[in-house]
Amino acid sequence: DVKVTQSSRYLVKRTGEKVFLECVQDMDHENMFWYRQDPGLGLRLIYFSYDVKMKEKGDIPEGYSVSREKKERFSLILESASTNQTSMYLCASSGRGVVARVGYGYTFGSGTRLTVV
Amino acid sequence: AQSVTQLGSHVSVSEGALVLLRCNYSSSVPPYLFWYVQYPNQGLQLLLKYTTGATLVKGINGFEAEFKKSETSFHLTKPSAHMSDAAEYFCAVTLRGAQKLVFGQGTRLTINP
Repeated sequence: DVKVTQSSRYLVKRTGEKVFLECVQDMDHENMFWYRQDPGLGLRLIYFSYDVKMKEKGDIPEGYSVSREKKERFSLILESASTNQTSMYLCASSGRGVVARVGYGYTFGSGTRLTVV
Repeated sequence: AQSVTQLGSHVSVSEGALVLLRCNYSSSVPPYLFWYVQYPNQGLQLLLKYTTGATLVKGINGFEAEFKKSETSFHLTKPSAHMSDAAEYFCAVTLRGAQKLVFGQGTRLTINP
């Protein structure tokens, strides 16, 4: 089974701190994604990456950056954490190449619940 | 661009009753459609998907969904609800060749004893 591992289940950080959320997948997937999930708002895409060193903005990139130095690892960075970034963060990955592979959808990690105080 | 609408942010049914979660999509070409389930404090887990072929697809835990092109719908059903079905459910759509899924807002399912 594909595994997507997020390094922390729960994090508490202080306002203004630089925060790193790590995500690792073990199935050689090209695509990786970061979402945040808030009650009533569903999943909102922050950033995604189609390949190593590539990144594209999603719907809500403000206040975030990402890094993908290796294919298996996709990091989300909160440059200066604020209380409105308190949320559940979900990482996902998927393969591509052959069109039909898109039909496998995403595999998600277990999520990181971040609280900024 | 494609989009997904889930009708009803909360659905409550009695144990043993029919579960029906509604999903309508907007897409100019035939889409791929997915249902995911999220249990408390966990990530999303794939429940079932439609890509091509049979329009009635069966998933895990007794759930199934039917792709109806004429109605642009992909409703999720289960004949008899179980307490363990209580979770949040997300419908999602993508296009062939596209790399991103577009998610609905989610429907929280509550099961009453």
